[in-house]
Amino acid sequence: DIQMTQSPSTLSASVGDRVTITCRASENISSWLAWYQQKPGKAPNLLIHKASTLEGGVPSRFSGSGSGTEFTLTISSLQPDDFATYYCQQYNNYYPTFGQGTKVEIK
Amino acid sequence: QVQLVQSGAEVKKPGSSVKVSCKASGGTLSNDSISWVRQAPGQGLEWMGKIIPMFGMTTYAQKFQGRVTISVDASTNIAYMELGRLRSEDTAVYYCARDLTVTTGASYFDYWGQGSLVTVSS
Repeated sequence: DIQMTQSPSTLSASVGDRVTITCRASENISSWLAWYQQKPGKAPNLLIHKASTLEGGVPSRFSGSGSGTEFTLTISSLQPDDFATYYCQQYNNYYPTFGQGTKVEIK
Repeated sequence: QVQLVQSGAEVKKPGSSVKVSCKASGGTLSNDSISWVRQAPGQGLEWMGKIIPMFGMTTYAQKFQGRVTISVDASTNIAYMELGRLRSEDTAVYYCARDLTVTTGASYFDYWGQGSLVTVSS
């Protein structure tokens, strides 16, 4: 299985901060990477696919970049609704795998 | 817009089986693939397997091979995930998700059910 490692595991930030989450793959996954946001008690919500393609309805303050083994999710100006846990997911082979998650907390 | 509505919470004994349902509306399971993803309490997301109803094909994560069966009833637009030989470590929220398959054969997930909590306890 392809291992996905996110950093940091927890991130404390304030409203208005620029926030960056990193996701590393254990092997080259090209651009086959998705990002999800999950709030407590809710299902994950797809934010980005193919590393940088924003889903419809997702605010433009979210952006994704990277290819190969290293990827980032950036929130340009953190808003109150963005405090949540974020997961990356690779889909380079038949067996998709997720990172362990990054919790974005209020500082 | 696709909506996936799952069955309710279940409490099961170790060694038994559970079958979770996922009803699709706003689309048909004849055209869409469905994956199942689970999340243990306080933990991350774990893909279990998928079904491509159009071809009757299933793919399962190695970890669940032999213990999980994913199926679809196209006449009612309901997908099912049955997990057998339950143990306490299977306590989790189980999600169905619409599966968008790309050229690699793998998938990402754009619509999700609300989740079904399965508790395994003696």
